[in-house]
Amino acid sequence: GENVEQHPSTLSVQEGDSAVIKCTYSDSASNYFPWYKQELGKGPQLIIDIRSNVGEKKDQRIAVTLNKTAKHFSLHITETQPEDSAVYFCAATRPLSGYSTLTFGKGTMLLVSP
Amino acid sequence: GAVVSQHPSRVICKSGTSVKIECRSLDFQATTMFWYRQFPKKSLMLMATSNEGSKATYEQGVEKDKFLINHASLTLSTLTVTSAHPEDSSFYICSAPERGRGGDTQYFGPGTRLTVL
Repeated sequence: GENVEQHPSTLSVQEGDSAVIKCTYSDSASNYFPWYKQELGKGPQLIIDIRSNVGEKKDQRIAVTLNKTAKHFSLHITETQPEDSAVYFCAATRPLSGYSTLTFGKGTMLLVSP
Repeated sequence: GAVVSQHPSRVICKSGTSVKIECRSLDFQATTMFWYRQFPKKSLMLMATSNEGSKATYEQGVEKDKFLINHASLTLSTLTVTSAHPEDSSFYICSAPERGRGGDTQYFGPGTRLTVL
């Protein structure tokens, strides 16, 4: 089955700096890669996703890049703010029979200091 | 994006009792929903896939008789933790995929914190 590795496990940055979180996946058939932000005591919130037919996607301060050959994808957050502090999870999936089962990375705790 | 709700958000119960958690897709229909369990500072662990109109599919190691799942309608799935014990204390989260162009996008509920005394 699919295996997703995520690094780093914790990331501390100063406000205004950029943050990069990297994930690798094992199943070359995976074709959908979402990123979720989870604040303490809350459910994961989808912040951006990318499908295998594109290499990069951007939404304001957040961007995701995908390298299918190397089987890795990354989340980039620019101009970080204290409210970006949370745990971020990457995931990968290969939709089967109309629905998709996500395989998650272990998460990255991002701490943005004022 | 689409909205998924869960109820209750928190529940405390005594050992041996059963607890029901509801998961609803508020603005879309979901023939499939997923139930996850999350331990502190850990990733999400898929427990089961809830299928409307048919039996749920459980992941390896998850007791189907302990974690009863019912997908009664296209917008509601319930998870019942039967004869709960302290080791069942955890954060339970559901998700539902919204069909769209190119595939499904999964949206998560806010989670239910279960504490078994």
